[in-house]
Amino acid sequence: QSVLTQPPSVSAAPGQKVTISCSGSSSNIGNNYVSWYQQLPGTGPRLLIYDNNERPSGIPDRFSGSKSGTSATLGITGLQTGDEADYYCGAWDSGVKSYVFGTGTKVTVL
Amino acid sequence: QVQLQQWGAGLVKPSETLSLTCDVYGGSFSDDYYWTWIRQPPGKGLEWIGEVGHSGSTNYSPSLKSRVTISVDPSKSQLSLKVTSVTAADAAVYFCAGATGRDIYCSFSTCHRAYHMGVWGKGTTVTVSS
Repeated sequence: QSVLTQPPSVSAAPGQKVTISCSGSSSNIGNNYVSWYQQLPGTGPRLLIYDNNERPSGIPDRFSGSKSGTSATLGITGLQTGDEADYYCGAWDSGVKSYVFGTGTKVTVL
Repeated sequence: QVQLQQWGAGLVKPSETLSLTCDVYGGSFSDDYYWTWIRQPPGKGLEWIGEVGHSGSTNYSPSLKSRVTISVDPSKSQLSLKVTSVTAADAAVYFCAGATGRDIYCSFSTCHRAYHMGVWGKGTTVTVSS
């Protein structure tokens, strides 16, 4: 069961920007670092953002992350058809000593 | 770079035990990662199952804790997952993953962490059926 809440879907035209929100609590996002994952259709997840706003090598700077209080946001600029995927946030939950994922957001490029 | 190759039974009978193994290639098996399992039921989101750390210590999802065991065999660079008493609700794609984690700060007995899964296996589909 997911304890981090994301919108089910977001969409925009190619070249535009989308943002995906991730809402949690003080036991997870509020006091731990957030990461984001991209899951292309039929594949496993890939790490996009870690430590709230850091990108692994190979991830373009079109992807960005931020955190404020108990919420986090993933931004994707210059939207491309290849960005159509499901996106998940995640964070350690200090209260239950386990990692929790968001509910997931489907990005559609119009 | 680290690569993960999963294997195990793709069909498990109800009430029996699900067993999966993940071979780790490249990198330092014992030092670099917390080894984790994640699952994804058909058409649904990701669920973290648990981790085994450098010292062999484990953390599990509260919802699965009573039925799950995650272990490592450093001599074989392998991690394993066992889920007992499976039901149809355990049918999912199971992923092994390497997580990087560190404590940000600790207050009293609670530690807050920077934690993310940077290396993923390709996934194993497990069906539960008699």
